[in-house]
Amino acid sequence: DAGVTQSPTHLIKTRGQQVTLRCSPKSGHDTVSWYQQALGQGPQFIFQYYEEEERQRGNFPDRFSGHQFPNYSSELNVNALLLGDSALYLCASSLAGNGAFFGQGTRLTVV
Amino acid sequence: EDQVTQSPEALRLQEGESSSLNCSYTVSGLRGLFWYRQDPGKGPEFLFTLYSAGEEKEKERLKATLTKKESFLHITAPKPEDSATYLCAVNSGTYKYIFGTGTRLKVLA
Repeated sequence: DAGVTQSPTHLIKTRGQQVTLRCSPKSGHDTVSWYQQALGQGPQFIFQYYEEEERQRGNFPDRFSGHQFPNYSSELNVNALLLGDSALYLCASSLAGNGAFFGQGTRLTVV
Repeated sequence: EDQVTQSPEALRLQEGESSSLNCSYTVSGLRGLFWYRQDPGKGPEFLFTLYSAGEEKEKERLKATLTKKESFLHITAPKPEDSATYLCAVNSGTYKYIFGTGTRLKVLA
């Protein structure tokens, strides 16, 4: 079992650019959540996808959007990048409300 | 508003020196409390889920307990490889986890 996999592992972007992060959930999991973790902080919930629909959203602007595909994989898109978007972006997968399993994260640096 | 507070922020232990990490929470209705271990630059690694007061879970040198207001992660005879940040999160029936800021544990050989 490969667990939750995310790509890329590291990314450097310029302010104003757009970025797409990808996530493949753990085998058998149908729900994907995205979190943003700033240095020294706990992860903050961005949104959750289930059955290809955004089921809940945290306090993040519309610049953050996502998608879930029929195979349960997911993408996180961030438009008009700001310096403050620099963080570790985590994908978590789960099944039917059980404990969430996280990927290794994508480190995004905005310069 | 749901809230999670972890203490201490940082903890240094000698190898073999047992201790406990605290997670205090305020939620409208607890549907689960989760402990994770996170190594620098990595994603959180799932450790335990607790659902009701009085519940306990164990894994190797770690034991998690839960009351109506807080959870403890007890570390018995820690080793240097236990050094990491330990995160606590709660779920109150919505789909998101609310995380604390974590406890940075350093175990010295």
